[in-house]
Amino acid sequence: GEDVEQSLFLSVREGDSSVINCTYTDSSSTYLYWYKQEPGAGLQLLTYIFSNMDMKQDQRLTVLLNKKDKHLSLRIADTQTGDSAIYFCAGYNFNKFYFGSGTKLNVKP
Amino acid sequence: DTEVTQTPKHLVMGMTNKKSLKCEQHMGHRAMYWYKQKAKKPPELMFVYSYEKLSINESVPSRFSPECPNSSLLNLHLHALQPEDSALYLCASSRNSEQYFGPGTRLTVT
Repeated sequence: GEDVEQSLFLSVREGDSSVINCTYTDSSSTYLYWYKQEPGAGLQLLTYIFSNMDMKQDQRLTVLLNKKDKHLSLRIADTQTGDSAIYFCAGYNFNKFYFGSGTKLNVKP
Repeated sequence: DTEVTQTPKHLVMGMTNKKSLKCEQHMGHRAMYWYKQKAKKPPELMFVYSYEKLSINESVPSRFSPECPNSSLLNLHLHALQPEDSALYLCASSRNSEQYFGPGTRLTVT
């Protein structure tokens, strides 16, 4: 299976950029994902990147993929208090999704 | 429309009760999933249905029994649960590479 690791916490000020990092072990994941989970809610698919891409931008979100280092990052530009949540990275392989432990993003006003 | 619905939102049940969780999607997705999520942890995969057939069972105890009556519905039947089964139960569906989650059922076993 896939091991996916993330740092547990990140604290930023409103208006700053946030960068959430993720490393994974299995390079055969076809896609890599970022999900957002607010308290008491399900997981919201934010964005995903195909494994042969290096970067994907979607409005305030930028995903960077370094296949050599097996490193995935999510940059949130102009972070808002509504971005406070837990962010999970995930890989997909053999009909299963593998989730990291989640990074709790705290945005201070 | 990327909506997956789940009912009920909350459920409290005793250890001798039988209850069911329900999940529905109308996106034409042919893969559906049950996950269990404990507080501050990532979702743990329980079951995967592909084209209405059970394709993955992650060694889940038999007190959890999944059912897929048709391509839009997924049930999870619960019987003789333990207090440690209290968690958020999430349903998801996927087509190709995109997986969408429902809001979950918060289950408390007393």
